[in-house]
Amino acid sequence: EIVLTQSPGTLSLSPGERATLSCRASQSVSSSYLAWYQQKPGQAPRLLIYGASSRATGIPDRFSGSGSGTDFTLTISRLEPEDFAVYYCQQYGSSPPVTFGPGTKVDIK
Amino acid sequence: EVQLVESGGGLVKPGGSLRLSCAASGFTFSNAWMSWVRQAPGKGLEWVGRIKSKTDGGTTDYAAPVKGRFTISRDDSKNTLYLQMNSLKTEDTAVYYCTTGSGKYFDYWGQGTLVTVSS
Repeated sequence: EIVLTQSPGTLSLSPGERATLSCRASQSVSSSYLAWYQQKPGQAPRLLIYGASSRATGIPDRFSGSGSGTDFTLTISRLEPEDFAVYYCQQYGSSPPVTFGPGTKVDIK
Repeated sequence: EVQLVESGGGLVKPGGSLRLSCAASGFTFSNAWMSWVRQAPGKGLEWVGRIKSKTDGGTTDYAAPVKGRFTISRDDSKNTLYLQMNSLKTEDTAVYYCTTGSGKYFDYWGQGTLVTVSS
């Protein structure tokens, strides 16, 4: 089973600042199979990035994804008030087919 | 517009059973691979299992914690996904989401239904 680790657990930043979130896999993950989600309290997750670097429909270009192998990064170039949320990475593999990371909470400093 | 609407959650005693439903609309349900993802209170996301489309074999896969206790099925004539949960444990308490997408990631999510397992 591929285990995903996200760091930091919590990121305290101010609006306008840059956020850099890390997702590390216990084994190499195909870039095609790495995604990022945003979740706000009381809401379902929303797909932000798929294929490690492609933005989902309607996602602003301040969100970008990068990485390969075992190290992936989600960057929010300038935090807007609505970006304070929890972010999860997810990989698609063989057994089990899907695993999620534990999440990074981005909160207001 | 894609819509996924879960129902069937509630309070159940340990060892009991519950069946969740997910009514789908706005896409060709019969072609979709469908998954269930859960989230325990205050915790992260956990994939529960999936069912492939019938054209791709209709097979199911499950996460280790639920394998042998949970069963995913689909009724393509009703555009509905099911999750039959048996031998429920307190650690199964969670919001259960119905979700679909490319098969590798999840574009669309329902609003979730809460399952509470408690005596």
